[in-house]
Parts: sequence; structure tokens; C-alpha cells
Amino acid sequence: QVQLQESGPGLLKPSETLSLTCTVSGGSISNYYWSWIRQPAGKGLEWVGRIHASGRTIYNPSLKSRVTISVDTSKNQFSLRLSSVTAADTAVYYCARDSEAAMDLNYYYYMDVWGTGTTVTVSS
Amino acid sequence: DIQMTQSPSSLSASVGDRVTITCRASQSISSYLNWYQQKPGKAPELLIYAASSLQSGVPSRFSGSGSGTDFTLTISSLQPEDFATYYCQQSYFTPRTFGQGTKLEIK
Repeated sequence: QVQLQESGPGLLKPSETLSLTCTVSGGSISNYYWSWIRQPAGKGLEWVGRIHASGRTIYNPSLKSRVTISVDTSKNQFSLRLSSVTAADTAVYYCARDSEAAMDLNYYYYMDVWGTGTTVTVSS
Repeated sequence: DIQMTQSPSSLSASVGDRVTITCRASQSISSYLNWYQQKPGKAPELLIYAASSLQSGVPSRFSGSGSGTDFTLTISSLQPEDFATYYCQQSYFTPRTFGQGTKLEIK
């Protein structure tokens, strides 16, 4: 079965760039969308953005100026870069597979496989 | 952004109870509504997609309904492992947005 694992530095200073990688195992990264979601401690979930294996991206407008999501199909990985971080970017970051179901001539999207999450703290 | 509002924000119930959680969208999202369960320290897990489709492997005591702006998640008979936080999420508009969560606690 498909498994996802986030990796990257857990501690950053303000103004630095957050870089995380999600490694997909047990299946191919091709033909799917892949998302990043974050969750500050004790708070709700925020969708950051997603990428298709072809490289097509969609970002949350609230983060769009600072976010880049990329994919490396040869390594079965996709990555998140978030520039100019502040304490407000402190959160658990999850990667997830964005699957689709064709029903009633529509395509429904949902995140059905998640990584375990990695904690990123921004502090001086 | 589409605002997703869940009610209640917290709920106390007993094993065996029937529980309903409501999610309301700030505008119509057709049936583009998913439900997730999250336990402390763990990633969310998908329960329901497209408003009423049960994800593979999820117990049949979970069900979802609704369309447009109003949706419900129902647990027909609470089990000990169901005490968790539940989130709705719309996938009709960008950005995807989540409800604030409903924490289900043991009475």
C-alpha cells in the first residue's frame, strides 16, 4: 500500500526558507495530485497547495507569493518550499495523496493517504 | 475563501450513542465535501468523500449526507475508538478549506 513520509529541517529562524520533501513508497507518484497541508499546534487544518505528477500546481492564495511545490518523478518525491518564514508558519506539515473519483459525470477530489507529519518550528 | 462551519465544536457522548455532526458551507459546494477523523498526534484519516461515499476500510457505522451548503456526518453507534476530532473539507473551490473541527469526547 502507498505510504508517504515527510522529511526536512525541524527548526528554522525567521526569514529563512522552509524546505520539506515527501517520499512516496509502495506506489507510483505518476497520475496523481499530491498536496501539502499544515496544522499549527492545537488548531485546525490549512491546505497549502498541490501538484500533479506532470508538474501542474495550484496554491493557496494566502501563501502563493511564498510557496513553491515541485515534483521529482524519478525519485518518487514531491517537495514544498516556503520562503520568508515567520513564527506563524510554525506547524505540523503533512503531505497527502489527492485522489479522484468519477461519479455522475463529475470528478470528486479527496485526500486519502497522508504522511505522519513533520513538525516545523520557526524561532529566533 | 469558502468558509466551512462545523457544529458543535465539541460534543460529549457515550459508547453506543448515535452522534451527528453538522458542516455548513458559506456557499454551495454541490457534493464536494469530505470528512476526516484525527486522533491526537496522528494524521487525519479520510472517512467520507463526495458527501456520502464511504472510504474503503471505514466501518459502516459512519455515514455522510447532504449537498449544496448543509452536510452531516453520522456515527450510528459510537465505539471507544471513535473519540477523536472530526473535520469537514470542501474540494469544490480553491483554496480547499476545512471546518474548524468537532472534538468528540467521552461522557
